[in-house]
Amino acid sequence: ETGVTQTPRHLVMGMTNKKSLKCEQHLGHNAMYWYKQSAKKPLELMFVYSLEERVENNSVPSRFSPECPNSSHLFLHLHTLQPEDSALYLCASSQAANTGELFFGEGSRLTVL
Amino acid sequence: GQNIDQPTEMTATEGAIVQINCTYQTSGFNGLFWYQQHAGEAPTFLSYNVLDGLEEKGRFSSFLSRSKGYSYLLLKELQMKDSASYLCAVRLGDSSYKLIFGSGTRLLVRP
Repeated sequence: ETGVTQTPRHLVMGMTNKKSLKCEQHLGHNAMYWYKQSAKKPLELMFVYSLEERVENNSVPSRFSPECPNSSHLFLHLHTLQPEDSALYLCASSQAANTGELFFGEGSRLTVL
Repeated sequence: GQNIDQPTEMTATEGAIVQINCTYQTSGFNGLFWYQQHAGEAPTFLSYNVLDGLEEKGRFSSFLSRSKGYSYLLLKELQMKDSASYLCAVRLGDSSYKLIFGSGTRLLVRP
């Protein structure tokens, strides 16, 4: 079983749809992250959760809504997205929120029509 | 603002040595990471430097100079499978949750 698992791997949605991305980590880590990866741009930090508490919200539009029900699961709820939100969304986890390396999932490729 | 610079692309020959540079200007510093990302795959951790000097791990080595805001990743005995993007990332400050990434360097290894 891989360390960090993301579903779905691919998602196509219209601008009026509501969908969710799911992330699960099997590493016993206490911190989880959402990053956005667009073509030819750096990985952009979106949200950080430490022990299920959101500790970082990097000026992300409200159409992206994270949820962390426990330290192993992280969701990104999507609503009324724009075509420029099309990107690869990467989930990651680390031992703690301010130390150690990040372990990434394979990502969810999102296309907004 | 935070700024991390890497070359966009590099090409090298199988069996050779390549050095990928990273310079950073950030509001704080608590370590520098290098990640490898193959096309369509997740980034994977390669190395971590928090003190000045060279860290060696097999064919890969990473160097850090905090006074110069400079790091490099050295790949020896290049193999075709080393063709990938290499991402430099800086963690900001002692209690910061932010790991800021550069745009990455796409390395192509030719036979």
